[in-house]
Amino acid sequence: TQLLEQSPQFLSIQEGENLTVYCNSSSVFSSLQWYRQEPGEGPVLLVTVVTGGEVKKLKRLTFQFGDARKDSSLHITAAQPGDTGLYLCAGVFSNTGKLIFGQGTTLQVKP
Amino acid sequence: NAGVMQNPRHLVRRRGQEARLRCSPMKGHSHVYWYRQLPEEGLKFMVYLQKENIIDESGMPKERFSAEFPKEGPSILRIQQVVRGDSAAYFCASSPPEAGYNEQFFGPGTRLTVL
Repeated sequence: TQLLEQSPQFLSIQEGENLTVYCNSSSVFSSLQWYRQEPGEGPVLLVTVVTGGEVKKLKRLTFQFGDARKDSSLHITAAQPGDTGLYLCAGVFSNTGKLIFGQGTTLQVKP
Repeated sequence: NAGVMQNPRHLVRRRGQEARLRCSPMKGHSHVYWYRQLPEEGLKFMVYLQKENIIDESGMPKERFSAEFPKEGPSILRIQQVVRGDSAAYFCASSPPEAGYNEQFFGPGTRLTVL
């Protein structure tokens, strides 16, 4: 069974703090996506990483793909209340077509 | 360019009734995926379809659940004789034919409540 372990599950921080969310597996991904989901809505794609060691930036969000393509991280700098939400990593294994999701990280940024 | 559309957004059914969930993929997308999100759980893959073909249904329960994506019209996820355990949010996602990295774009979901 292919599993994605995402940590932490819950994170409550003050505005202005930095944070990192981790996504790990024992299997190699062919690609990995990060999504953000608001209550009552579907996941919204933030980024796709494909190449081992790849780093992508989206404003204050930095996404990194591990060299072995088994792990990924999302780092948010100077978090703002608008960053509050559920963050999900999802991996594709060997071009099966289906996404395997981590359990999600619920982030709360307090003003 | 409209995104993935799902309807209804909310569906209430009594035990034993049938539920039909519809998904219209983004324009130009020919791949459709269905996922289920149970309360306090992550999204779980159910089925992957292309036009008129089921590619992977490894996540579908063996009984009562079926899915189709006809040549014309939306994809349909059908749940027969619903039970309380079917209560969940059901999400549809689509990707274009050339999605080598399998980027999937999600709809807003249908929240099914079984009374």
